[in-house]
Amino acid sequence: QVQLQESGPGLVKPSETLSLTCTVSGGSISSLYWSWIRQPPGKGLEWIGYVFSSGRTSYNPSLKSRVTMSVDTSKNQLSLNLSSVTAADTAMYYCARHRGNLREYFDLWGRGTLVTVSS
Amino acid sequence: EIVLTQSPGTLSLSPGERATLSCRASQSVSSTNLAWYQQKPGQAPSLLIYGASNRATGIPDRFSGSGSGTDFTLTISGLEPEDFAVYYCQQYGSSRFTFGPGTKVEIK
Repeated sequence: QVQLQESGPGLVKPSETLSLTCTVSGGSISSLYWSWIRQPPGKGLEWIGYVFSSGRTSYNPSLKSRVTMSVDTSKNQLSLNLSSVTAADTAMYYCARHRGNLREYFDLWGRGTLVTVSS
Repeated sequence: EIVLTQSPGTLSLSPGERATLSCRASQSVSSTNLAWYQQKPGQAPSLLIYGASNRATGIPDRFSGSGSGTDFTLTISGLEPEDFAVYYCQQYGSSRFTFGPGTKVEIK
C-alpha cells in the first residue's frame, strides 16, 4: 500500500532554512495533491501548504513569505523549504495526501519528522 | 480565514459511554469540506470522517458525523479502549485548510 516517509535534519539553527523531503512509496505522486502540515509539541495542527504533481502550489498566508514546496516526479518525492526559522517553527512535520473531488481532506499521512530549531 | 472551535477541550468518559464532540465554524462551511481526524499519542492523525458524515475506509460504525453550516458533531456511540485519543475537525475553503484545536477524550 502507499506509504509516506518524511526525512530531513532534526535540528536547524535559528535564521537558517528548514528542508524536508517526503518520499512516496507503493504508488505514484502524479495527478495528486500533497500537503505539509505541522504540529508544535503538545499543540494542534497547522496546514503549511500544498503542491500538485505539476508543481502548482498554494501556501498558508501566515507562512507564505517563507515557504517553498516542490515535487520530483522522477523520485516520487515532495520537498518543503521553510526559511528564516525561529523557535516557533519547532514542530513535528507531516506530509499528507489529499483526497476528495475538491481535494478537501487528507486520507493518508506520513509518520512525521520532528524538527527542533535551536542554536 | 474560517476559524474552527471545538468543545469541550477535554471529555472524561468511561468505556462504553457515548461521546459527543462539537466543532463550530466562524462562518458557514460546506458539508463536503468538513472532516474529522483521530490522533493517538506518538502517532500521526488518521482520517475518520469526510464530507461531514462519511466514514473513511475501515472506520467502525460506532463513529458517526453530522451537522451543517457552522455546527458539526462527531459521535462515538460506545467508547472502546482504543478510542481514547485527541480528535480534530478540519475544513477546506478558498484553497485553504484549517484545523480545530482538538478535543481530548480521556478515560474517566
